[in-house]
Order: sequence, then structure tokens, then C-alpha cells
Amino acid sequence: QVHLVQSGAEVKKPGASVNVSCKASGSSFTVYYMHWVRQAPGQGLEWMGWINPNNGDTNYAQKFQGRVTMTRDTAINTAYMELSRLKSDDTAVYYCTRDFGAIAGIPMAAWFWGQGTLVTVSS
Amino acid sequence: DIQMTQSPSSLSASVGDRVTITCRASQSISINLNWYQQKPGKAPSLLIYAASRLQSGAPSRVSGSGSGTDFTLTINGLQPEDFATYYCQQSYGSLWTFGQGTKVAIK
Repeated sequence: QVHLVQSGAEVKKPGASVNVSCKASGSSFTVYYMHWVRQAPGQGLEWMGWINPNNGDTNYAQKFQGRVTMTRDTAINTAYMELSRLKSDDTAVYYCTRDFGAIAGIPMAAWFWGQGTLVTVSS
Repeated sequence: DIQMTQSPSSLSASVGDRVTITCRASQSISINLNWYQQKPGKAPSLLIYAASRLQSGAPSRVSGSGSGTDFTLTINGLQPEDFATYYCQQSYGSLWTFGQGTKVAIK
């Protein structure tokens, strides 16, 4: 079983940046893609992008290009998602989720999920 | 980007009913289609991957079918724990998109 533990809730002002962390248990951190998905209050799921923890390669949804940066620290099995130039409609729960398939192939499905981090953007 | 359209957006059903949710892709995605269940205040959970493969731990009353652009999630004999919101998600290529969700409520 894999556990993903995310950092705590954040309150930010418009224009600021937020950095959410996601620590994975176990020894397979570099074997599987890690994705970030967000969900605004009362809304559906929105995929933001993925990172290959083995080599740091990333792939972002076009909507977030230029505003999102995904990184990782393999020494502590932790992935990070930074979103900059925050706006009020970035208020959402942000989830990290580990892929079902190994990075030898293409990203397949979101299997293990973190508990979510609420980011509130308000002046 | 590939767009995913689910229908209906919501439905009401009774315990024991058969429920069908459809998902249509804006272009062919082969069988690169997954289904998730989400309950209020919780993270989603994977139910079906590769269009029809039941994820370990998911109940056998849940099934998925389809390929290309049209997909279906079926729940046979709806149980109280099945009342939730369901999302389809395409994983064709490296860019993902989710459907808008279908809320299954108690009639």
C-alpha cells in the first residue's frame, strides 16, 4: 500500500504563489508518474500535469503552462507543485496522485491519492 | 485537447437499480479511458481502468465497456455505498482530461 501525505491548508493573496508538497511512503517513488489534480468548490476534477520522479521530466496542461512548476526531491520521496500568480478562481483542493503504471510506459490512471490540500485565494 | 462529455450530469436511482453513465471523447482514444468514484469530502478512487478492467477492490457489480469515442459505466444492483459522483478520464497520449462528472443520488 502506498500513502501520499500532503502539506496543510494555505491561504494566499491574489498574485502570490503557493507550494504544495506530497510525501510518498515506500521505496517506489521514482518508478511511477506523479500527477496533480485540483477541484474547485462544488466543481469537477481538473488535471494539472505530471512529473516523472525518476528524471524530473514534466508535462503540464496547457491551461497552467507558465504558472505551474512541478518538482521532486528523491532523497525524501516528496513531490511539489508550485502555482504562481494566484487568482481567486485558483481556490480549490489540490491532490497529488500516483499513477497506476510505471514510467516505462505512458501515464495510465490515477491510483493512489493524497488527502488533498485546500488552497484559498482571497484578498 | 481531447474533450470528455459525460451524460447525464446527474441521476436519481433506487437501491437495486441498474445505472448506466456514458462518456464520449472528442476524438478516438482507443481504450485509454478510466472511471473514478468520489464521495463528498473524499479523494476520488479508481474503479475501472483501460475502459473495462476492474480495479482491485472495486465491487464486481461495476463494469465498464467501450472503445474509440464511446464508453459506458454500468452499476448492476445499486447499493447504498454507490451513491456518489462518477468521473471518466482519458489517458490517451500524455495529456489527461476528465469528464464533468455524474452525480448519482438516492431517489
